[in-house]
Amino acid sequence: DQQVKQNSPSLSVQEGRISILNCDYTNSMFDYFLWYKKYPAEGPTFLISISSIKDKNEDGRFTVFLNKSAKHLSLHIVPSQPGDSAVYFCANNAGNMLTFGGGTRLMVKP
Amino acid sequence: DTAVSQTPKYLVTQMGNDKSIKCEQNLGHDTMYWYKQDSKKFLKIMFSYNNKELIINETVPNRFSPKSPDKAHLNLHINSLELGDSAVYFCASSQEGRGAFFGQGTRLTVV
Repeated sequence: DQQVKQNSPSLSVQEGRISILNCDYTNSMFDYFLWYKKYPAEGPTFLISISSIKDKNEDGRFTVFLNKSAKHLSLHIVPSQPGDSAVYFCANNAGNMLTFGGGTRLMVKP
Repeated sequence: DTAVSQTPKYLVTQMGNDKSIKCEQNLGHDTMYWYKQDSKKFLKIMFSYNNKELIINETVPNRFSPKSPDKAHLNLHINSLELGDSAVYFCASSQEGRGAFFGQGTRLTVV
């Protein structure tokens, strides 16, 4: 039973437009959510996080929104760049454990 | 300098063999992890160590034995390798559970 779900396995966006990556979760007992970016043959790289007490966190082109009532969070990338093409994982952190979603492959077309 | 380094990057071995994957972090983090990325690309936690002590063991076969000689190292030893063990294994470390840093991964292929 997946506690963290990313229902879209892939997303294609034109360069300069907004990319919206979604994540749903079932376990409300967490400290914060994190987004990781992963290129092929590399380990996941931490991108941005959001605390359970906040509903928005922004860092440059990346903004994460948390909707606790809907148990949903999303990552917005604007404007999208070809270098953003990668697999994005959301992860739920509770205690010393990260639980990952299945990932969404983002392709940003020039 | 690489923050979390694991070796080897690729490992091809026969069924029944015993192999080890090494991991070292130079970030001074207290917590280290092993994750397995399966054929469906899901990242699942296997073990978590905090200051050399095991704190999470997620129903991993006992053929997998992590060893932490000090808090900067968490090695993964696998006995009697099986075909289903083929996967990419990631080591990671974090401080106070925040934003874990991952190694580059070890692609294990059991033939």
